[in-house]
Amino acid sequence: AQSVTQPDIHITVSEGASLELRCNYSYGATPYLFWYVQSPGQGLQLLLKYFSGDTLVQGIKGFEAEFKRSQSSFNLRKPSVHWSDAAEYFCAVDGQAGTALIFGKGTTLSVSS
Amino acid sequence: EAQVTQNPRYLITVTGKKLTVTCSQNMNHEYMSWYRQDPGLGLRQIYYSMNVEVTDKGDVPEGYKVSRKEKRNFPLILESPSPNQTSLYFCASSLSLAGVRPGELFFGEGSRLTVL
Repeated sequence: AQSVTQPDIHITVSEGASLELRCNYSYGATPYLFWYVQSPGQGLQLLLKYFSGDTLVQGIKGFEAEFKRSQSSFNLRKPSVHWSDAAEYFCAVDGQAGTALIFGKGTTLSVSS
Repeated sequence: EAQVTQNPRYLITVTGKKLTVTCSQNMNHEYMSWYRQDPGLGLRQIYYSMNVEVTDKGDVPEGYKVSRKEKRNFPLILESPSPNQTSLYFCASSLSLAGVRPGELFFGEGSRLTVL
């Protein structure tokens, strides 16, 4: 069965520093991968997605993610974090058959000044 | 504006008192789904619907019902709520999750339910 692991429950980064959030997936075929962000009191917003082709994908708000098939990973990166990036981040993989997205348990990002 | 609208956003109720959380989308999406979000557990799918009159169970369907009589609406029904259904609920919709390029999943803002 498909699954997603986000190893880091909580990460604190200084404002202006770089960020990398880890995501590992388990999937039997070529996955469709997503990163969502949830700001406090809000729903989830799509940051970026990977379907095929270029393994480095660009998203909104200056985020990017790299798909590495050999490592079963889809890590999210940002070169310089802003205080407004403090939120919860979810990695997701398609559940096959078009019935669901399977989400990781999330990583909470705190930004210190 | 394209959106998924859930109501109520906040609700406190008591054990056994039936309640319905409504969900409506204005994007003509075929696919709709309900998730619950609990600390440390992430999002888990409750039910989903591939189209009108087509619904099926997700990973945690116990204690919930849904219906899809119209394309735009997908209400979540708790016939006899219990405290373990205290959670944050999200409705989501998509053109389709199937095919070569699955569509984006659009989320509502969430409904925080407390069952005493």
